[in-house]
Amino acid sequence: EVQLVESGGGLIEPGGSLRLSCAASGFTFSNAWMSWVRQAPGKGLEWVGRIKSKADGGSLDFAAPVKGRFTISRDDSKDTLYLQMSGLKTEDTAVYFCSKNRGYGFDYWGQGALVTVAS
Amino acid sequence: EIVLTQSPGTLSLSPGERATLSCRASQSISDNYVSWYQQKPGQAPRLLIYGASTRATGIPDRFSGSGSGTDFTLTISRLEPEDFAVYYCQEYGSSPSYTFGQGTKLEIK
Repeated sequence: EVQLVESGGGLIEPGGSLRLSCAASGFTFSNAWMSWVRQAPGKGLEWVGRIKSKADGGSLDFAAPVKGRFTISRDDSKDTLYLQMSGLKTEDTAVYFCSKNRGYGFDYWGQGALVTVAS
Repeated sequence: EIVLTQSPGTLSLSPGERATLSCRASQSISDNYVSWYQQKPGQAPRLLIYGASTRATGIPDRFSGSGSGTDFTLTISRLEPEDFAVYYCQEYGSSPSYTFGQGTKLEIK
């Protein structure tokens, strides 16, 4: 059974930094392209960024609102995905979902981690 | 940047009825690039359809997807009580980027 479990969410002041983790199991993590998708309170879904598998180059891509402030990394030895967020803004407040890419979409999702940016 | 517009915003139907949800793109997109998701309150989204018309693993056959070009449709043939949720379409763009529609809320009438 595929499982994605996020951790690391919390309350952070504007301008601060936070790192989310996503522990994966039930599939070959090293072969997977992985993404982060967020959802602001009461709003729709917004893709944040993606990391390819190392076999496919390991490249990163990000949505415009987070480019230059967020980065994604992976530790295939630990089957874990990370989202490092810096320069946080109040508009970054959201539930952040870790998701496994499948083709041109996302076939598995974690339960989400809430990040609240407020003073 | 492609914009996806879903309609209606809210759809009120009764169990057993047929639901038709629309997703219109601001420019033509490949069928392969369109997916649909279901999200219930407090839960993560669940993949229903990918490649515009292929059901994901474990998805009941009352869910079907169709469309091409700029117009895509998710149809639920006979609504079950557990189908009332928010539905999102999503497309993959060449930037690369993944864009979601704003969602359709399917509520019990």
